[in-house]
Amino acid sequence: NAGVTQTPKFRILKIGQSMTLQCTQDMNHNYMYWYRQDPGMGLKLIYYSVGAGITDKGEVPNGYNVSRSTTEDFPLRLELAAPSQTSVYFCASRSLVGGVGTEAFFGQGTRLTVV
Amino acid sequence: AQSVTQLDSQVPVFEEAPVELRCNYSSSVSVYLFWYVQYPNQGLQLLLKYLSGSTLVKGINGFEAEFNKSQTSFHLRKPSVHISDTAEYFCAVSDIAAGNKLTFGGGTRVLVKP
Repeated sequence: NAGVTQTPKFRILKIGQSMTLQCTQDMNHNYMYWYRQDPGMGLKLIYYSVGAGITDKGEVPNGYNVSRSTTEDFPLRLELAAPSQTSVYFCASRSLVGGVGTEAFFGQGTRLTVV
Repeated sequence: AQSVTQLDSQVPVFEEAPVELRCNYSSSVSVYLFWYVQYPNQGLQLLLKYLSGSTLVKGINGFEAEFNKSQTSFHLRKPSVHISDTAEYFCAVSDIAAGNKLTFGGGTRVLVKP
């Protein structure tokens, strides 16, 4: 059981380039999330999804896009990378049991540097 | 909007001493609370959770937390820490009224000294 898998683990981008961070989960979870983690700032929610075909913005969505065509996959797209997007990105998933959200399971993270 | 405040950004503590990490939240009536731990260069791992029932919740590695509804707090405690408890700890809240978004606090870095 792989859980939540993120690729790549590390990436260096030049300013203005674009890339897609991949996230896949094999637990059949409805909810999926993308966070970014900056030193001393905790985790900030970028986008989340409550199921295939449904996505919504979090606290810091500018400069990012997401799609959710399947239950398993939730890719995060960066267009026109900027140095402010240098961060560690985490994908997470969770399920609802009787309407109650259970704990989230996290991937190992993607460390992105924009130069 | 729901929010989480971790009152201490860093907590130095000696080995075998007790530690308490403070967490306060702002949300509606029905909240679900979590504590996660992050070891260096790793993802987040669940320590414990409060969904309902007893307000004292026991987790892994000897940690426990107490849900206090009147004070909107969910403080994490361990009676005796080990060097291996050196890590960053995150409190998180989830609220049905907020679409089940999972909101994290800023984290508390625990440094256990020998």
